[in-house]
Amino acid sequence: AQSVAQPEDQVNVAEGNPLTVKCTYSVSGNPYLFWYVQYPNRGLQFLLKYITGDNLVKGSYGFEAEFNKSQTSFHLKKPSALVSDSALYFCAVRDYGQNFVFGPGTRLSVLP
Amino acid sequence: DTEVTQTPKHLVMGMTNKKSLKCEQHMGHRAMYWYKQKAKKPPELMFVYSYEKLSINESVPSRFSPECPNSSLLNLHLHALQPEDSALYLCASSQASQGNPTGELFFGEGSRLTVL
Repeated sequence: AQSVAQPEDQVNVAEGNPLTVKCTYSVSGNPYLFWYVQYPNRGLQFLLKYITGDNLVKGSYGFEAEFNKSQTSFHLKKPSALVSDSALYFCAVRDYGQNFVFGPGTRLSVLP
Repeated sequence: DTEVTQTPKHLVMGMTNKKSLKCEQHMGHRAMYWYKQKAKKPPELMFVYSYEKLSINESVPSRFSPECPNSSLLNLHLHALQPEDSALYLCASSQASQGNPTGELFFGEGSRLTVL
């Protein structure tokens, strides 16, 4: 069965500093990995995905993620955090069917 | 802006009421989803329709009844709900996998349901 872990409930970072939100996964077969962001009382917004190819994936709003097969990780990164990046972030994996499995979420707070 | 539209945005209903949540997408996606989300928790899958047929039902109580009238529309009929059913209900769509599951989910903004 597919599973996703986000080991940190909360990440705090100062504005302008780099940020990392961690994700590890467990899948059978090739991983199809996704990052989503959710602002209060809103739906989830797609940030980026890894399907195949380059291990560094670039996405929306300056975010990127690094796929590491040996460590089964897919960490989300941004070189310089903004206060407006403060939100709830979900990592997810898709199986060969229609099912997406979400991690528990990480709350990112960017402090001015 | 989301391309998945959900109505209503807010709904308050009593335990004896019957109501429906509606979802619409015009991206040509053939997979549509209902998720339930409690505060600060990940979305929990309820139902998946693939090519207008129910393909996944995650053991959801029968007081929730999904319907997919056509490839663009998805409804969730609600009847005799309990207060613990209060949550944000999210609709999403994606390209159907057909053995190539690379498409991402597109979410609507959700319907905030309160059951009194």
